[in-house]
Amino acid sequence: GDSVTQMEGPVTLSEEAFLTINCTYTATGYPSLFWYVQYPGEGLQLLLKATKADDKGSNKGFEATYRKETTSFHLEKGSVQVSDSAVYFCALKGASSASKIIFGSGTRLSIRP
Amino acid sequence: NAGVTQTPKFRVLKTGQSMTLLCAQDMNHEYMYWYRQDPGMGLRLIHYSVGEGTTAKGEVPDGYNVSRLKKQNFLLGLESAAPSQTSVYFCASSLSGGALTGELFFGEGSRLTVL
Repeated sequence: GDSVTQMEGPVTLSEEAFLTINCTYTATGYPSLFWYVQYPGEGLQLLLKATKADDKGSNKGFEATYRKETTSFHLEKGSVQVSDSAVYFCALKGASSASKIIFGSGTRLSIRP
Repeated sequence: NAGVTQTPKFRVLKTGQSMTLLCAQDMNHEYMYWYRQDPGMGLRLIHYSVGEGTTAKGEVPDGYNVSRLKKQNFLLGLESAAPSQTSVYFCASSLSGGALTGELFFGEGSRLTVL
Protein backbone atom coordinates (compact mmCIF):
# COMPACT_ATOMS: atom_id res chain seq x y z
CA GLY A 1 0.00 0.00 0.00
CA ASP A 2 0.87 3.66 -0.05
CA SER A 3 3.39 4.87 2.48
CA VAL A 4 5.50 7.87 3.46
CA THR A 5 8.98 7.78 4.98
CA GLN A 6 10.59 10.89 6.39
CA MET A 7 13.86 11.49 8.14
CA GLU A 8 13.89 10.90 11.84
CA GLY A 9 14.45 13.76 14.19
CA PRO A 10 14.96 15.64 16.18
CA VAL A 11 16.76 18.13 14.01
CA THR A 12 18.48 21.04 15.74
CA LEU A 13 19.83 23.99 13.76
CA SER A 14 21.08 27.47 14.45
CA GLU A 15 19.07 30.44 13.29
CA GLU A 16 19.68 31.35 9.61
CA ALA A 17 20.91 27.83 8.78
CA PHE A 18 19.73 25.94 5.71
CA LEU A 19 17.10 23.31 6.32
CA THR A 20 16.37 20.07 4.51
CA ILE A 21 13.92 17.46 5.77
CA ASN A 22 13.84 14.39 3.57
CA CYS A 23 10.63 12.67 2.53
CA THR A 24 10.17 9.73 0.18
CA TYR A 25 6.99 7.94 -0.72
CA THR A 26 5.60 4.74 -2.17
CA ALA A 27 2.39 4.94 -4.14
CA THR A 28 0.79 3.78 -7.32
CA GLY A 29 -0.05 6.33 -9.94
CA TYR A 30 0.34 10.01 -9.23
CA PRO A 31 -0.49 10.97 -5.65
CA SER A 32 -0.75 14.48 -4.28
CA LEU A 33 1.96 15.38 -1.77
CA PHE A 34 1.81 17.64 1.27
CA TRP A 35 3.83 19.08 4.10
CA TYR A 36 1.94 19.82 7.30
CA VAL A 37 3.38 21.70 10.29
CA GLN A 38 2.40 21.36 13.95
CA TYR A 39 3.45 24.23 16.22
CA PRO A 40 3.65 23.54 19.96
CA GLY A 41 0.22 23.04 21.50
CA GLU A 42 -1.61 23.29 18.20
CA GLY A 43 -3.13 21.01 15.60
CA LEU A 44 -1.56 20.35 12.24
CA GLN A 45 -1.92 22.88 9.48
CA LEU A 46 -1.13 22.63 5.81
CA LEU A 47 2.20 24.24 4.93
CA LEU A 48 2.43 23.49 1.21
CA LYS A 49 1.37 20.98 -1.39
CA ALA A 50 2.09 19.72 -4.92
CA THR A 51 -0.35 17.78 -7.03
CA LYS A 52 1.70 16.63 -10.02
CA ALA A 53 5.24 15.72 -10.96
CA ASP A 54 7.77 18.60 -11.07
CA ASP A 55 5.38 20.92 -9.25
CA LYS A 56 6.97 23.07 -6.56
CA GLY A 57 4.94 23.94 -3.49
CA SER A 58 6.00 26.96 -1.47
CA ASN A 59 4.84 28.93 1.57
CA LYS A 60 6.46 31.02 4.33
CA GLY A 61 9.90 30.57 2.73
CA PHE A 62 9.60 26.78 2.63
CA GLU A 63 9.73 24.87 -0.65
CA ALA A 64 9.33 21.28 -1.79
CA THR A 65 9.47 19.83 -5.30
CA TYR A 66 7.51 16.75 -6.39
CA ARG A 67 10.13 14.42 -7.88
CA LYS A 68 8.51 11.45 -9.56
CA GLU A 69 11.81 9.90 -10.65
CA THR A 70 13.12 9.70 -7.10
CA THR A 71 9.69 9.48 -5.41
CA SER A 72 10.67 12.32 -3.11
CA PHE A 73 9.24 15.55 -1.73
CA HIS A 74 12.00 17.06 0.41
CA LEU A 75 11.25 20.18 2.43
CA GLU A 76 13.76 23.03 2.24
CA LYS A 77 14.22 26.52 3.64
CA GLY A 78 17.15 28.74 3.00
CA SER A 79 17.30 30.53 6.37
CA VAL A 80 15.38 29.19 9.34
CA GLN A 81 14.07 31.23 12.23
CA VAL A 82 13.35 30.37 15.85
CA SER A 83 9.65 30.60 15.00
CA ASP A 84 10.06 27.65 12.61
CA SER A 85 10.53 25.30 15.56
CA ALA A 86 7.76 22.73 15.13
CA VAL A 87 7.03 19.19 14.03
CA TYR A 88 6.84 18.71 10.26
CA PHE A 89 4.82 15.93 8.65
CA CYS A 90 5.10 14.74 5.08
CA ALA A 91 1.86 13.28 3.70
CA LEU A 92 0.38 11.91 0.54
CA LYS A 93 -3.04 11.35 -0.90
CA GLY A 94 -3.50 8.68 -3.53
CA ALA A 95 -4.87 9.48 -6.95
CA SER A 96 -8.13 7.64 -6.29
CA SER A 97 -10.97 9.78 -4.98
CA ALA A 98 -11.47 7.18 -2.26
CA SER A 99 -7.90 7.50 -1.01
CA LYS A 100 -7.22 8.86 2.44
CA ILE A 101 -4.32 11.08 3.44
CA ILE A 102 -1.37 9.11 4.83
CA PHE A 103 1.08 10.83 7.15
CA GLY A 104 4.74 10.21 7.83
CA SER A 105 5.99 9.89 11.39
CA GLY A 106 6.95 13.55 11.72
CA THR A 107 10.27 15.35 12.20
CA ARG A 108 10.78 17.62 15.18
CA LEU A 109 12.75 20.76 14.31
CA SER A 110 14.34 22.98 16.94
CA ILE A 111 16.05 26.25 16.04
CA ARG A 112 18.63 27.79 18.37
CA PRO A 113 18.82 31.61 18.53
CA ASN B 1 -13.01 31.87 13.35
CA ALA B 2 -13.70 28.69 15.31
CA GLY B 3 -12.80 26.14 12.59
CA VAL B 4 -12.49 22.73 14.25
CA THR B 5 -13.08 22.57 18.00
CA GLN B 6 -12.39 19.56 20.20
CA THR B 7 -13.60 18.95 23.74
CA PRO B 8 -12.28 18.10 26.21
CA LYS B 9 -8.64 19.07 25.69
CA PHE B 10 -7.35 16.92 28.52
CA ARG B 11 -8.77 13.87 30.26
CA VAL B 12 -7.49 11.21 32.62
CA LEU B 13 -9.37 7.92 32.78
CA LYS B 14 -9.04 4.71 34.69
CA THR B 15 -8.89 1.41 32.82
CA GLY B 16 -12.38 0.27 31.94
CA GLN B 17 -14.02 3.70 32.08
CA SER B 18 -15.84 5.13 29.11
CA MET B 19 -15.76 8.58 27.57
CA THR B 20 -16.66 10.55 24.48
CA LEU B 21 -14.61 13.12 22.61
CA LEU B 22 -16.58 15.74 20.74
CA CYS B 23 -15.48 17.39 17.53
CA ALA B 24 -17.38 20.31 16.03
CA GLN B 25 -16.66 22.16 12.79
CA ASP B 26 -18.30 25.29 11.46
CA MET B 27 -17.01 25.16 7.87
CA ASN B 28 -19.83 23.03 6.46
CA HIS B 29 -17.33 20.30 5.57
CA GLU B 30 -18.64 16.94 4.42
CA TYR B 31 -15.72 14.81 5.57
CA MET B 32 -14.56 14.41 9.16
CA TYR B 33 -11.81 12.27 10.64
CA TRP B 34 -10.41 11.09 13.95
CA TYR B 35 -6.66 10.47 14.22
CA ARG B 36 -4.44 9.45 17.06
CA GLN B 37 -0.88 10.68 17.39
CA ASP B 38 1.72 8.59 19.14
CA PRO B 39 5.47 9.28 19.45
CA GLY B 40 7.41 8.07 16.43
CA MET B 41 4.29 6.87 14.63
CA GLY B 42 2.84 10.02 13.16
CA LEU B 43 -0.91 10.21 12.75
CA ARG B 44 -3.02 7.11 12.33
CA LEU B 45 -6.61 7.23 11.12
CA ILE B 46 -9.13 5.72 13.54
CA HIS B 47 -12.50 6.37 11.88
CA TYR B 48 -13.85 8.81 9.38
CA SER B 49 -17.13 10.03 7.96
CA VAL B 50 -18.00 11.10 4.43
CA GLY B 51 -21.23 12.82 5.42
CA GLU B 52 -24.00 13.10 7.98
CA GLY B 53 -25.14 9.69 9.14
CA THR B 54 -22.14 7.83 7.73
CA THR B 55 -19.05 6.36 9.38
CA ALA B 56 -16.22 4.11 8.22
CA LYS B 57 -13.23 2.38 9.75
CA GLY B 58 -9.74 3.68 9.31
CA GLU B 59 -6.39 2.13 10.04
CA VAL B 60 -6.78 1.52 13.80
CA PRO B 61 -10.52 1.32 14.65
CA ASP B 62 -10.51 -1.34 17.36
CA GLY B 63 -11.71 -0.14 20.77
CA TYR B 64 -13.37 2.97 19.36
CA ASN B 65 -16.81 3.87 18.08
CA VAL B 66 -18.00 6.99 16.28
CA SER B 67 -21.20 8.74 15.36
CA ARG B 68 -22.11 11.54 12.96
CA LEU B 69 -25.69 12.42 13.75
CA LYS B 70 -25.24 16.04 12.66
CA LYS B 71 -23.08 17.27 9.83
CA GLN B 72 -21.09 19.60 12.07
CA ASN B 73 -20.33 17.07 14.83
CA PHE B 74 -18.26 13.90 14.93
CA LEU B 75 -18.08 11.98 18.21
CA LEU B 76 -15.39 9.48 19.19
CA GLY B 77 -16.27 7.04 21.95
CA LEU B 78 -14.20 4.71 24.08
CA GLU B 79 -16.47 2.13 25.69
CA SER B 80 -13.83 0.53 27.93
CA ALA B 81 -10.60 2.49 28.01
CA ALA B 82 -7.25 0.70 28.00
CA PRO B 83 -3.75 2.06 28.72
CA SER B 84 -2.89 1.45 25.04
CA GLN B 85 -5.38 4.19 24.19
CA THR B 86 -3.27 6.80 25.94
CA SER B 87 -2.57 9.22 23.12
CA VAL B 88 -3.27 12.60 21.63
CA TYR B 89 -6.42 12.57 19.53
CA PHE B 90 -6.96 14.92 16.64
CA CYS B 91 -10.13 15.63 14.78
CA ALA B 92 -9.97 16.96 11.25
CA SER B 93 -12.38 17.94 8.54
CA SER B 94 -12.19 18.52 4.81
CA LEU B 95 -14.37 20.03 2.16
CA SER B 96 -14.00 16.93 0.05
CA GLY B 97 -12.27 13.62 0.51
CA GLY B 98 -11.65 13.46 -3.20
CA ALA B 99 -8.63 14.58 -5.15
CA LEU B 100 -9.69 18.25 -5.24
CA THR B 101 -7.40 19.60 -2.54
CA GLY B 102 -6.73 16.91 0.02
CA GLU B 103 -6.38 19.66 2.62
CA LEU B 104 -7.39 18.77 6.15
CA PHE B 105 -8.28 21.26 8.87
CA PHE B 106 -7.31 20.08 12.33
CA GLY B 107 -8.48 20.78 15.84
CA GLU B 108 -5.99 21.50 18.63
CA GLY B 109 -6.02 17.97 19.94
CA SER B 110 -7.26 16.13 23.02
CA ARG B 111 -4.73 14.52 25.31
CA LEU B 112 -6.08 11.35 26.89
CA THR B 113 -4.31 9.38 29.61
CA VAL B 114 -5.58 5.97 30.69
CA LEU B 115 -4.21 4.73 33.99
